[in-house]
Amino acid sequence: GAVVSQHPSWVICKSGTSVKIECRSLDFQATTMFWYRQFPKQSLMLMATSNEGSKATYEQGVEKDKFLINHASLTLSTLTVTSAHPEDSSFYICSASGTDSYEQYFGPGTRLTVT
Amino acid sequence: SQQGEEDPQALSIQEGENATMNCSYKTSINNLQWYRQNSGRGLVHLILIRSNEREKHSGRLRVTLDTSKKSSSLLITASRAADTASYFCATAPYNFNKFYFGSGTKLNVKP
Repeated sequence: GAVVSQHPSWVICKSGTSVKIECRSLDFQATTMFWYRQFPKQSLMLMATSNEGSKATYEQGVEKDKFLINHASLTLSTLTVTSAHPEDSSFYICSASGTDSYEQYFGPGTRLTVT
Repeated sequence: SQQGEEDPQALSIQEGENATMNCSYKTSINNLQWYRQNSGRGLVHLILIRSNEREKHSGRLRVTLDTSKKSSSLLITASRAADTASYFCATAPYNFNKFYFGSGTKLNVKP
């Protein structure tokens, strides 16, 4: 089956620093990748959609300058949380889809804690 | 949530009982999917139902879809303690290859 990995699985950083999270499709080419954020005891909120080689499309209310998304290859997308603040602490989950764009494969998530 | 709501928000049942969760959504969809998430973990895909389907089965899972009411239900039969998790529906709108998740139902199955 299609496998998506995320790295790191958890990270603690200081307020004001930037953190990069990687999302990789291990056994298929991901034409589209998605980034979600999940606060404790809440649902997943779609942050942005990225297609390989083009700029990401952000959902309403998501700051594109704060959450930088790069999808430079068909197997890798990165999310960089810039100038992180404690309110950015959350569970970040990526997903990837291939040629069948209605099947999404989810990564295991990255727990970010900003102190 | 971005797309819809689920009810109940929380459900507590005894092992062996059936659990039913409902999902309502806002826009026309291409398909609807159900996912399970154990606390603090990633998502596990359970089942996909397309907009032209009304019912689908997979093991102990039964999903229905009513596009006229923009709603879906997930039935877990003969529940087990291991079914304890949060369950989310996710909809894929027409012409958009993205998902919107419902608010989720937290299921607790007591042994």
